[in-house]
Amino acid sequence: AQSVTQLGSHVSVSEGALVLLRCNYSSSVPPYLFWYVQYPNQGLQLLLKYTSAATLVKGINGFEAEFKKSETSFHLTKPSAHMSDAAEYFCAVPRVTGNQFYFGTGTSLTVIP
Amino acid sequence: ETGVTQSPTHLIKTRGQQVTLRCSSQSGHNTVSWYQQALGQGPQFIFQYYREEENGRGNFPPRFSGLQFPNYSSELNVNALELDDSALYLCASSRQLGLAGNGELFFGEGSRLTVL
Repeated sequence: AQSVTQLGSHVSVSEGALVLLRCNYSSSVPPYLFWYVQYPNQGLQLLLKYTSAATLVKGINGFEAEFKKSETSFHLTKPSAHMSDAAEYFCAVPRVTGNQFYFGTGTSLTVIP
Repeated sequence: ETGVTQSPTHLIKTRGQQVTLRCSSQSGHNTVSWYQQALGQGPQFIFQYYREEENGRGNFPPRFSGLQFPNYSSELNVNALELDDSALYLCASSRQLGLAGNGELFFGEGSRLTVL
């Protein structure tokens, strides 16, 4: 079955530092991968998605992710963290059909002023 | 454009009771999915409704059931509540063409259920 693994349930970075959130997928995953963000007391919001058009995907709020088939990874990065980036981040992969997803366990990002 | 709205936002029930959660989909969306998010976990897929029919189900027992109405709004019903049902229940709508999807879900803010 398809799955994603997020390494690191908590990540802390200083404001202005690089953000790196890790996601690895199982090799049987179809070539679609997603990152969602959940701000406190809110639902999830799509950050970006990979649909095999380009390996480097740019999303909202300055985030990007690179699909690396050789490493079965889809890590999320942002060059310079902002206080407003503090949230829970989820990597996700589609189930068999139509907008149904397996989500990872999430990574909580803390930004230190 | 109205987003996804869920009600109630918070509720407390006791073991054995039944609960109904409601969701209004975003304008133009014909598909509604429900997810359970336990504390500190990622959302887990419960089921999806498309054109008033169940279109996929996760690993949840039959006491979790749902409905979709002609206006695409939806209900999640949980019978015989257990302590482990305490979670944030998220509704997400999307635009779906047949079995395919465009890959993007729009989530509501969730209904937080506490079972005592």
